[in-house]
Amino acid sequence: NAGVMQNPRHLVRRRGQEARLRCSPMKGHSHVYWYRQLPEEGLKFMVYLQKENIIDESGMPKERFSAEFPKEGPSILRIQQVVRGDSAAYFCASSPNGTPNTEAFFGQGTRLTVV
Amino acid sequence: EDKVVQSPLSLVVHEGDTVTLNCSYEVTNFRSLLWYKQEKKAPTFLFMLTSSGIEKKSGRLSSILDKKELSSILNITATQTGDSAIYLCAVNSGGSNYKLTFGKGTLLTVNP
Repeated sequence: NAGVMQNPRHLVRRRGQEARLRCSPMKGHSHVYWYRQLPEEGLKFMVYLQKENIIDESGMPKERFSAEFPKEGPSILRIQQVVRGDSAAYFCASSPNGTPNTEAFFGQGTRLTVV
Repeated sequence: EDKVVQSPLSLVVHEGDTVTLNCSYEVTNFRSLLWYKQEKKAPTFLFMLTSSGIEKKSGRLSSILDKKELSSILNITATQTGDSAIYLCAVNSGGSNYKLTFGKGTLLTVNP
């Protein structure tokens, strides 16, 4: 049973470009959470999605950031017109239901660098 | 705003030493506290604590919660080089049962 898969592991974008980060949850998991880890900071909650629904996006910036979790395929975190401040590690976690405890597993993260 | 503070931020010890990592929190409607180990990859779950005074143990690692002091400790005995990692503390609180607030982590380095 493969774990939570994120790709790419590393992504370099120039300012103004778009970044697309993908997260494939563990098999049987229908809940996905995205977290951002800025340098020298703890992981910060961004958004919680179930299949085809955004449940809570209270931690996501209102502009340039969007997330989706379609019926088929991975969850996508999309950042438009990236700026240097978007450089961070983005982690995805998944669970079979909406609890962040032993049932939530983290992926290895995507490290975004904006140059 | 919910806050989780870990100390120390970094720690260097020798193999065989015992270490204690600290986590304190200021949150609304505490639900649970979780510890993770993060090496150069995904944070991996260690413990979840919901009740004061009940020690959770796994091998050389143990943890306990003190809800009166709003804190938790993670103990590692007889440390090994493989214990070198960032240890993350997170708290689930408020109206949701899924949102975690993380501390900045403690970087533990175990030298041979």
